[in-house]
Amino acid sequence: DAGITQSPRHKVTETGTPVTLRCHQTENHRYMYWYRQDPGHGLRLIHYSYGVKDTDKGEVSDGYSVSRSKTEDFLLTLESATSSQTSVYFCAISGSGAFMNTEAFFGQGTRLTVV
Amino acid sequence: AQSVTQLDSQVPVFEEAPVELRCNYSSSVSVYLFWYVQYPNQGLQLLLKYLSGSTLVKGINGFEAEFNKSQTSFHLRKPSVHISDTAEYFCAVSVGGYGNKLVFGAGTILRVKS
Repeated sequence: DAGITQSPRHKVTETGTPVTLRCHQTENHRYMYWYRQDPGHGLRLIHYSYGVKDTDKGEVSDGYSVSRSKTEDFLLTLESATSSQTSVYFCAISGSGAFMNTEAFFGQGTRLTVV
Repeated sequence: AQSVTQLDSQVPVFEEAPVELRCNYSSSVSVYLFWYVQYPNQGLQLLLKYLSGSTLVKGINGFEAEFNKSQTSFHLRKPSVHISDTAEYFCAVSVGGYGNKLVFGAGTILRVKS
C-alpha cells in the first residue's frame, strides 16, 4: 500500500464547528488531492495541491479550505461544518514525470458526521 | 467539463458467471480512463487504466476493459466472478492539467451470489 495516512479515521462534530482533516504521505509525491464520497455521486474533487503552498479548487470546494506547508502533509479544513458536509473524505497522491507514473493512490478515508 | 456515466448502480451475478460493468464518458481530445475497486470500509484500489495503445486493457484480479472511442465507452469485464469480487467499482477519467485529477462515475455495486 502507498504510504498514505489519514487522521482521524472517524469524527463526529457539531454544526458550526471548525474541523481539520489531515493527510500524511511518505512517498514524496508532488500532487495531493482531497475528494469526498457520497452515495450516487461517486468521488468528487474538493481541492488539490501541486506543490508546497500551491493549491487550487476542485469541483466542490465551497465551505472547504486547504493548506500544504510541507510536501508530506495536506490539511483539509471545514471552516464551519454543516450537515451537508457529512461524508467520507479521501486523500489521494500522485507523482510527477511521465504520465505512466502518475497513478493516483488513495488513503483509507475519514468518515465525518456533522450533527 | 468531463463527465462519466456508469449505467448500472447495482449488478447482481452468480458466482462463476461472466460480468460486464458499463461506463460511458464525455468525449475529449485526449482521454485517460481508469477503473477502481473499493471493498467495504476501505480506500480505492486501481484495477486497470487506459492511457494509449491497445484498446484492450488487462488489469488485476482477472479484470479487463475495452476502450471504444467511437462509442465513448470503457466497459469492465470479467469472464468468471468470485464471491471475493463483491465490491463497488468506479470508472474515472483524468481531466488533465496538473497531476492526475479524476472525475468519477457514481459507482456500480457488484454483488456476487453463491
